[in-house]
Amino acid sequence: AQTVTQSQPEMSVQEAETVTLSCTYDTSESNYYLFWYKQPPSRQMILVIRQEAYKQQNATENRFSVNFQKAAKSFSLKISDSQLGDTAMYFCALKYQGGSEKLVFGKGTKLTVNP
Amino acid sequence: DAGVIQSPRHEVTEMGQEVTLRCKPISGHDYLFWYRQTMMRGLELLIYFNNNVPIDDSGMPEDRFSAKMPNASFSTLKIQPSEPRDSAVYFCASSSAVDRGLHFGNGTRLTVT
Repeated sequence: AQTVTQSQPEMSVQEAETVTLSCTYDTSESNYYLFWYKQPPSRQMILVIRQEAYKQQNATENRFSVNFQKAAKSFSLKISDSQLGDTAMYFCALKYQGGSEKLVFGKGTKLTVNP
Repeated sequence: DAGVIQSPRHEVTEMGQEVTLRCKPISGHDYLFWYRQTMMRGLELLIYFNNNVPIDDSGMPEDRFSAKMPNASFSTLKIQPSEPRDSAVYFCASSSAVDRGLHFGNGTRLTVT
């Protein structure tokens, strides 16, 4: 069974600083996708970034980047130059490549960006 | 391009009543998912469809829950009869075989009193 663990229920960061959110996962598959989703107070789920497991290069989207360590089954999200609008719940998620399309989510990390 | 559209945004009903949640996926997406979000259990997959056919309904909690997708542009999730423990936010999401990321609707907050 696939599991996703986010060990930090809450985090806070000062505006303009950098913060890293942790995520570990467990799967017996070798090919899969990893995602980070953002859920602001409006409750909309927004895809932030994705990573294909077969790619060694870490994905980057503007101020968001990941540190993907396949052997360690770790997938952390780094937010640079934090902005007040980054305040949200962040969910890490895992899906097999091929087979089931089921996306398994972690419990989430509540991030607060302070002015 | 319009995103995933869900209705209603909020639903308040009394225990025992039937509730129907609606979803319109993104045009061209061939996968549709229903998720439920609660504080205790987080985001749980209830069921997903591929080309309008239910593929995995193992997350549907009990027979009170049913989902249909009569065509590529519409799906419903029905709860009958509803119970207070069904109170949650229900999300619909869609994706394509090419773009594996899920695109979520704004969710329906269901409150059963």
